[in-house]
Amino acid sequence: RKEVEQDPGPFNVPEGATVAFNCTYSNSASQSFFWYRQDCRKEPKLLMSVYSSGNEDGRFTAQLNRASQYISLLIRDSKLSDSATYLCVVNTPQDDKIIFGKGTRLHILP
Amino acid sequence: GAVVSQHPSRVICKSGTSVKIECRSLDFQATTMFWYRQFPKQSLMLMATSNEGSKATYEQGVEKDKFLINHASLTLSTLTVTSAHPEDSSFYICSASAGYNEQFFGPGTRLTVL
Repeated sequence: RKEVEQDPGPFNVPEGATVAFNCTYSNSASQSFFWYRQDCRKEPKLLMSVYSSGNEDGRFTAQLNRASQYISLLIRDSKLSDSATYLCVVNTPQDDKIIFGKGTRLHILP
Repeated sequence: GAVVSQHPSRVICKSGTSVKIECRSLDFQATTMFWYRQFPKQSLMLMATSNEGSKATYEQGVEKDKFLINHASLTLSTLTVTSAHPEDSSFYICSASAGYNEQFFGPGTRLTVL
């Protein structure tokens, strides 16, 4: 099993729809989780941290499921500007590791 | 959020030359800086982790003698690609962290080796 796995997509979603994707991780000792957004040919930008209790920021909701070892990102009322690649990042301080998923490509269709 | 700068943003060089890329944290002290490489349509690949004042830790498969990393201060790390070849052409991104949580990314450097 890969350390961090994401469905590469692309997810083609009509504007206004709700879309969700997951990221699974293999190391149960992982402690910190993040979603980054990366636009084409640009650097990743932090979208949101993922807290154990789940967190919401506007149209974006992130959740952590430790039992099943995955994090999720839900985007409601999707906008054209949400088109990007979404990378999940898993930190395992004990192993001194930061691991990026390969990203999920999202295309919002007009 | 915190600001990380990278310089240059774009560089084109001839095969065999060396290229230095600077990464600076502008408004915070970065205890750890990371260097990534990203080939087209691929994810970021961590090359090395550097802590201020100590030698960088390189990921498996990354040649430390080819990719020289210096983290001389809490706000500056440099990556030197020595004797660059066309296969080194890539997007190089640094990030800085004040701990093992949020990372702040630089804008990246696009290296093209002719």
